[in-house]
Amino acid sequence: DAGVTQSPTHLIKTRGQQVTLRCSPKSGHDTVSWYQQALGQGPQFIFQYYEEEERQRGNFPDRFSGHQFPNYSSELNVNALLLGDSALYLCASSLGVSLSYEQYFGPGTRLTVT
Amino acid sequence: AQSVTQLGSHVSVSEGALVLLRCNYSSSVPPYLFWYVQYPNQGLQLLLKYTTGATLVKGINGFEAEFKKSETSFHLTKPSAHMSDAAEYFCAVSDTSNTGKLIFGQGTTLQVKP
Repeated sequence: DAGVTQSPTHLIKTRGQQVTLRCSPKSGHDTVSWYQQALGQGPQFIFQYYEEEERQRGNFPDRFSGHQFPNYSSELNVNALLLGDSALYLCASSLGVSLSYEQYFGPGTRLTVT
Repeated sequence: AQSVTQLGSHVSVSEGALVLLRCNYSSSVPPYLFWYVQYPNQGLQLLLKYTTGATLVKGINGFEAEFKKSETSFHLTKPSAHMSDAAEYFCAVSDTSNTGKLIFGQGTTLQVKP
């Protein structure tokens, strides 16, 4: 079992550009959540996808959007990048939306905005 | 609003000594509480969680935590530290099980000295 995989591992973008990050959930999982972890901080919840719909959203602007595909994989898109968007972006998958199911985290994508 | 405070951004112990990582939370309803560990260049791994029932929760790798409602605390302990325990530890809270949204603390770096 490959677990949760994310691509790319690292990414460098310029202010104002757009970026797409990808996540493949653990086998059998149908729910994907995204978190942003700034340097020296704990992860912050961006949003959760289940059945190809955004189920819950954290306090992030509309520049952050996502998508879930029929195979349960997910993308995180960030438009009009700001320096403050530099962070580790974590994807977590689970069997369902409930926290009764353990969330399994991927290794993250390190985004640097210059 | 929910929040999590981890007291001490860095904790250093000697190998074989007691590990105590502190976590206090704020929640208007009975919380769900979690401890995660993050090793360098890896995603978060669940150590243990409290939902309901027994207030002393045992997790993986010899860790345990006790939910103390009167103190709004959920401190993580391990009787004897191993070198392999050196990592970043995050406490997290949620106010309901029907969500993937976790509120994380800022993390505590555990250093284990030989």
